Amino acid sequence: GAVVSQHPSWVICKSGTSVKIECRSLDFQATTMFWYRQFPKQSLMLMATSNEGSKATYEQGVEKDKFLINHASLTLSTLTVTSAHPEDSSFYICSASLAAGPNQPQHFGDGTRLSIL
Amino acid sequence: GENVEQHPSTLSVQEGDSAVIKCTYSDSASNYFPWYKQELGKRPQLIIDIRSNVGEKKDQRIAVTLNKTAKHFSLHITETQPEDSAVYFCAASEGSARQLTFGSGTQLTVLP
Repeated sequence: GAVVSQHPSWVICKSGTSVKIECRSLDFQATTMFWYRQFPKQSLMLMATSNEGSKATYEQGVEKDKFLINHASLTLSTLTVTSAHPEDSSFYICSASLAAGPNQPQHFGDGTRLSIL
Repeated sequence: GENVEQHPSTLSVQEGDSAVIKCTYSDSASNYFPWYKQELGKRPQLIIDIRSNVGEKKDQRIAVTLNKTAKHFSLHITETQPEDSAVYFCAASEGSARQLTFGSGTQLTVLP
């Protein structure tokens, strides 16, 4: 159990393009999902917390108008990188917890490697 | 907010030896401490976690210890094998918030 699927795994596109990344919990419902960004040889940095049926909570320094998050169902959250530029190139990973409540393990998707030319 | 420091950044050990990675955290309210293993280009995988009501947890060759007073926790891998080579991340979470704050990672290399 606790499988998190992320799609696509690779994206290469031109500067100015908007890119949508999907994160799905395949065998459980996730009221909360998390989006992280990871630059090469660096740690995972939390970008935002995605809450089903309500607005996402963004971390300081993350532009909410650039990184649009939608969590319309209990099994799907999407991250859209709008008007992407080369500096947005990174590894984007989502995670979700199997159970509600605190202190629950987070399970990660396979990640999306985004390259903006 | 929470700040997690992790060291060493790189660690090389001979196959069969033990490896120890240490983390410290700043928020005394943090009460959940997972460890993740990440191979190159892949997802982080949870390998062990510990909650603040216990001081030590073991799962086969992997163990984690927690010292809440000193606000540090450590990962211990015994009888290391080449397939243990990866980047290991510690993390901390203040339970009600659920977000994880990650350490900077340790590149472990197990030499055959």
